[in-house]
Amino acid sequence: GAVVSQHPSRVICKSGTSVKIECRSLDFQATTMFWYRQFPKQSLMLMATSNEGSKATYEQGVEKDKFLINHASLTLSTLTVTSAHPEDSSFYICSARIGGSTEAFFGQGTRLTVV
Amino acid sequence: GEDVEQSLFLSVREGDSSVINCTYTDSSSTYLYWYKQEPGAGLQLLTYIFSNMDMKQDQRLTVLLNKKDKHLSLRIADTQTGDSAIYFCAERPPGYSSASKIIFGSGTRLSIRP
Repeated sequence: GAVVSQHPSRVICKSGTSVKIECRSLDFQATTMFWYRQFPKQSLMLMATSNEGSKATYEQGVEKDKFLINHASLTLSTLTVTSAHPEDSSFYICSARIGGSTEAFFGQGTRLTVV
Repeated sequence: GEDVEQSLFLSVREGDSSVINCTYTDSSSTYLYWYKQEPGAGLQLLTYIFSNMDMKQDQRLTVLLNKKDKHLSLRIADTQTGDSAIYFCAERPPGYSSASKIIFGSGTRLSIRP
């Protein structure tokens, strides 16, 4: 099956700093990538959808200036959490989809802890 | 609105069948999914069912869909220790094509006891 690699798997950062998370499709070209966030005992919540070469579409309530998404190529999307605060601590997961496909392939997730 | 609900925990004896239940609110959802998340790993698509189907079977997995009650279940036969994971139910609402939005439940943690 298709592989999506997410890096880093864990990161601890100081409050006020920025953190970049990468999502790569290793063996296919992903026309669309999705970023999710999961708080403990809650469901995965879609944050934004990004199509290669265009601006990301953010879900309601997600601050686009805080969560910067770049999808510069068909195999790489990045999520940058700017000026991180402890309440941003969460599990972030990306997924990638080949255009028109039913299935999305997920990365292994990134556990972000802001101290 | 769109919502997917499932219980948080399920404990099953090894060798027994596990049944994980899920309810969803959008009756016009086109696809319904079951994902598995093992510790430290990403979500793995286990199976999916199209909304015009009632049942789908794949080896030890059986998916049942009751559209009238908006109820989806996943049955794992002969549950093994390797089945320990979190299982997410998800729906794909209509109106989304190539840039599809998937709504997830909170996940059911399946634990296996000897």
